[in-house]
Amino acid sequence: QVQLVESGGGVVQPGGSVRLSCEVSGFTFRNYGMHWVRQAPGKGLEWVALIRFDGSNEYYADSVKGRFTISRDNSKNTLYLQLNTLRPDDTAVYYCAKDVQYCSGGSCNTYYYGMDVWGQGTTVTVSS
Amino acid sequence: QTVVTQEPSFSVSPGGTVTLTCGLSSGSVSPPYYPSWYQQTPGQAPRTLIYSTHIRSSGVPDRFSGSILGNKAALTITGAQADDQSVYYCGLYVGPGSWVFGGGTNLTVL
Repeated sequence: QVQLVESGGGVVQPGGSVRLSCEVSGFTFRNYGMHWVRQAPGKGLEWVALIRFDGSNEYYADSVKGRFTISRDNSKNTLYLQLNTLRPDDTAVYYCAKDVQYCSGGSCNTYYYGMDVWGQGTTVTVSS
Repeated sequence: QTVVTQEPSFSVSPGGTVTLTCGLSSGSVSPPYYPSWYQQTPGQAPRTLIYSTHIRSSGVPDRFSGSILGNKAALTITGAQADDQSVYYCGLYVGPGSWVFGGGTNLTVL
């Protein structure tokens, strides 16, 4: 059974930092890219970042570029999101999600695009 | 900046059929946008229904189907059930590596 479990959220002061983790099980982590998606209170979904299966490339939404860093440790089956210089409008539930593309030997099956499995989310509140 | 448009709300009768759409503020949604659809009920994480226009995610019943209709992506629900009452989000691939979600459609089944 595929599972993604986020942790690390909490209350952080403006300008502060926090690191989120997403521990996965039930699939071969090193073969899939991974996303972070967030949802502010009462609002819709906002894509935040994507990291390729091997960590070779990272992609960010303009709203977080230069402040957030996505990373992964394939030996620990864990995805991370480092959030720096936090602002009140970063307050949200942060979800990790598995990409649908299977990757191996340096290349990916690019026939399909999307996210197929989500974690339950971890809440970050930026407030003084 | 890419803006994805969805109907803010929609209603369907139990057993009925409803089609939700996903468009662009400028331009047309076509297969290279790899439209995907997600269902979310209050307090829960999103659940993937459809990706790459029409591929149903594992465990999703065939009452849910995805397509391109005209210049928009579409999610059709046939035989609507009470527990289909949710918010439905569309996501589009705007590359490289980047995605944009619509504001969601609040579907009521009554």
